[in-house]
Amino acid sequence: EVQLLESGGGLVQPGGSLRLSCAASGFTFSSYAMSWVRQAPGKGLEWVSGISGSGGNTYYADSVKGRFTISRDNSKNTLYLQMNSLRAEDTAVYYCAKAPQITMVRGASGYFDYWGLGTLVTVSS
Amino acid sequence: DIVMTQSPDSLVVSLGERATINCKSSQSVLYSSNNKNYLSWYQQKPGQPPKLLIYWTSTRESGVPDRFSGSGSGTDFTLTISSLQAEDVAVYYCQQYYSTPYTFGQGTKLEIK
Repeated sequence: EVQLLESGGGLVQPGGSLRLSCAASGFTFSSYAMSWVRQAPGKGLEWVSGISGSGGNTYYADSVKGRFTISRDNSKNTLYLQMNSLRAEDTAVYYCAKAPQITMVRGASGYFDYWGLGTLVTVSS
Repeated sequence: DIVMTQSPDSLVVSLGERATINCKSSQSVLYSSNNKNYLSWYQQKPGQPPKLLIYWTSTRESGVPDRFSGSGSGTDFTLTISSLQAEDVAVYYCQQYYSTPYTFGQGTKLEIK
């Protein structure tokens, strides 16, 4: 059974940093691209960042480019999101999501077949 | 970036009736090399993560009831629930995965009349 379990959320001041983790199980982690998708309170879904199965290719939304860094440790079956220079508008539930394919290049299957339960990040003074 | 616009924002339908949600993309999500539309649909119930319903415009995910169907091509897509059940109350999102940044529609809230 595929399981994705996020952790690392919490309350942080504006300008601060936080590192999210997503522990994966039930599938061959290195064979699939992964993404972070967030949802601000009462709002819709926003794709934040994605990474190929090997970790060699990363992708970001403009809203987080230069501030967030996605990475993965395939030996630990874990996905990460390092978030720096946090702003109030980064407040959201952050979900990790699995793609059904190893790559994220144009033409790849970029939908999300499994999602974690999410971890809440609150940026406030 | 490809902008996804859903209509309506909210929908009230009687049990057993048909519900139709539309999704329009700001540019075509049809990939010419494989003739596939890069469009998926998700269902999100309160307090839960999104759940994949449909991908490639019309392919139902395993376990999804056949009352859910997807159609469309190019820039215009539709999610149809043929006979609304109480458990279908949720917010529905379309998503394009034609190109990064992947983008979602704003969501359609479906309620029972």
